[in-house]
Amino acid sequence: NAGVTQTPKFQVLKTGQSMTLQCAQDMNHNSMYWYRQDPGMGLRLIYYSASEGTTDKGEVPNGYNVSRLNKREFSLRLESAAPSQTSVYFCASSRTGGKNTEAFFGQGTRLTVV
Amino acid sequence: GIQVEQSPPDLILQEGANSTLRCNFSDSVNNLQWFHQNPWGQLINLFYIPSGTKQNGRLSATTVATERYSLLYISSSQTTDSGVYFCAVVRGSGSRLTFGEGTQLTVNP
Repeated sequence: NAGVTQTPKFQVLKTGQSMTLQCAQDMNHNSMYWYRQDPGMGLRLIYYSASEGTTDKGEVPNGYNVSRLNKREFSLRLESAAPSQTSVYFCASSRTGGKNTEAFFGQGTRLTVV
Repeated sequence: GIQVEQSPPDLILQEGANSTLRCNFSDSVNNLQWFHQNPWGQLINLFYIPSGTKQNGRLSATTVATERYSLLYISSSQTTDSGVYFCAVVRGSGSRLTFGEGTQLTVNP
């Protein structure tokens, strides 16, 4: 059981380049999330999707777009990368509401923008 | 939004020592999780504990939702316990987690 899988694990971009981070989960969860973690800090929510076909902004959405491709997949796109977007990006999934909304995280993508 | 405060920010222990990590939150929550981020950056689920007490080996956690805090106990610490411990909560409906800033734990041999 793979859980939450993110690709790539590492990426270096030049300022202004674009890229898409991929995330897939095999736990049949409705909700999926993208977080970023900056050095010495906790994770901050970028975007989330409570169900297939819906997406909503989190705490730090500027400079990002997302696509909920289907129930399994949730991608994060940087249209024009900036050095301030250098961070570690985590995808997560969980059930939506109900008794148990335990979230599970992917292994992270370390992104450097130069 | 909800505020999540963790203490202490840093903790250094000798192998074999016990420790208690604290998480305070500013509003009622529907979900609370503890995570361990290992030195390789991986986030490992420790406990899903919106209320009550749970134990898993040398680790246990207690959440007192009415008083808005949770405690993570680590007994007989090992060097592999080193890393950052995060508390994260869900407020209201839905399932979005808000994270604290973590406790950096170093266990020396």
